Amino acid sequence: GAVVSQHPSWVICKSGTSVKIECRSLDFQATTMFWYRQFPKQSLMLMATSNEGSKATYEQGVEKDKFLINHASLTLSTLTVTSAHPEDSSFYICSAKSASGLYEQYFGPGTRLTVT
Amino acid sequence: GQNIDQPTEMTATEGAIVQINCTYQTSGFNGLFWYQQHAGEAPTFLSYNVLDGLEEKGRFSSFLSRSKGYSYLLLKELQMKDSASYLCAVRPRLGLDDKIIFGKGTRLHILP
Repeated sequence: GAVVSQHPSWVICKSGTSVKIECRSLDFQATTMFWYRQFPKQSLMLMATSNEGSKATYEQGVEKDKFLINHASLTLSTLTVTSAHPEDSSFYICSAKSASGLYEQYFGPGTRLTVT
Repeated sequence: GQNIDQPTEMTATEGAIVQINCTYQTSGFNGLFWYQQHAGEAPTFLSYNVLDGLEEKGRFSSFLSRSKGYSYLLLKELQMKDSASYLCAVRPRLGLDDKIIFGKGTRLHILP
């Protein structure tokens, strides 16, 4: 089946620094990748949709200058949390949709970000 | 706007059957998904319904009524490993922007 990886799986950073999270589709080409954030005991909140080679589309209330998304190739999208603050601590999950896929999105294992 | 409702928590007994309901009001409809998520892990795909009716897959079945904006996930022969959150999600439209909107999830507790 389709596999999506994320790196790192967890990261701790200091307030004010930036963190980059990678999302890779390992065995398929992903024309579209989605970035979600999940706070404890809450559901997944879509942050942005990224299509290869074009600018990401951000959901309402998500600061595009704070959460930089790059989808430079059909197998890699990155999310950079800039000037991180403790309230950005969360579980960040990406998903990828295959160019040839019917409907399913394949989720990465998630990245746990803790900002101290 | 988009609104997806499901119960926050449910409890059931090992070996029993449980039905998790989901109602939705979205700007469009092109499919409903159910995902299972264990704590600290990413969601895993369970089912997809785009037409009315029941889809059965092993111990899990999913039902959809588009006219009522309603779906349910039925879990049979419950096992302890089924303790997890179950997420109902709707795709409002097809296209390049093929996003899925998630409900808040139902935490299912299985008792021995």
